[in-house]
Amino acid sequence: AQSVTQPDIHITVSEGASLELRCNYSYGATPYLFWYVQSPGQGLQLLLKYFSGDTLVQGIKGFEAEFKRSQSSFNLRKPSVHWSDAAEYFCAVGNYGQNFVFGPGTRLSVLP
Amino acid sequence: DVKVTQSSRYLVKRTGEKVFLECVQDMDHENMFWYRQDPGLGLRLIYFSYDVKMKEKGDIPEGYSVSREKKERFSLILESASTNQTSMYLCASSQDRGGYGYTFGSGTRLTVV
Repeated sequence: AQSVTQPDIHITVSEGASLELRCNYSYGATPYLFWYVQSPGQGLQLLLKYFSGDTLVQGIKGFEAEFKRSQSSFNLRKPSVHWSDAAEYFCAVGNYGQNFVFGPGTRLSVLP
Repeated sequence: DVKVTQSSRYLVKRTGEKVFLECVQDMDHENMFWYRQDPGLGLRLIYFSYDVKMKEKGDIPEGYSVSREKKERFSLILESASTNQTSMYLCASSQDRGGYGYTFGSGTRLTVV
């Protein structure tokens, strides 16, 4: 069965520090991979996505993610976190004709 | 930009009431979805639709139904609301069945008392 795990339920970082959010998946083939962000009380906004090609993808708000096939991972990174990045982050996997599967989310808190 | 609009941000309903959650998208997307979001459980798919008048059950359809009479509108119906349906409900749409990702509405936080 397809599944997505985000091992960290809650992460706290200081403003200006680097960030890495982990995502691991189980899928029959190389899926499409996505990261979404949800600010409090809001819907989900697409940060970035991977289909094929270059395994390092750039997204909005200074985020990037790297697809590692051997590790079935798609970790999200940001070199310097801003207070406005505090939110919940969801990893999702899917493929053409298949509904997406979302991870449980990682809540990010940012210390001033 | 694609916009997905959910008619209510907050709703409070009584147990046993019939509840309608409305979702409208303005970019002619074929595909629409309803999720519920609960802490620690992430997003769970309730129903989806790939075409007008078409609907498919997702992972947790029990207690819910949907209606898609027009391409732009996808309604979620709670036939008889119960307290365990208190949740955040998210509507999404997509251009195709794969690579473009989903566009989400802002959500409706439903409380059933």
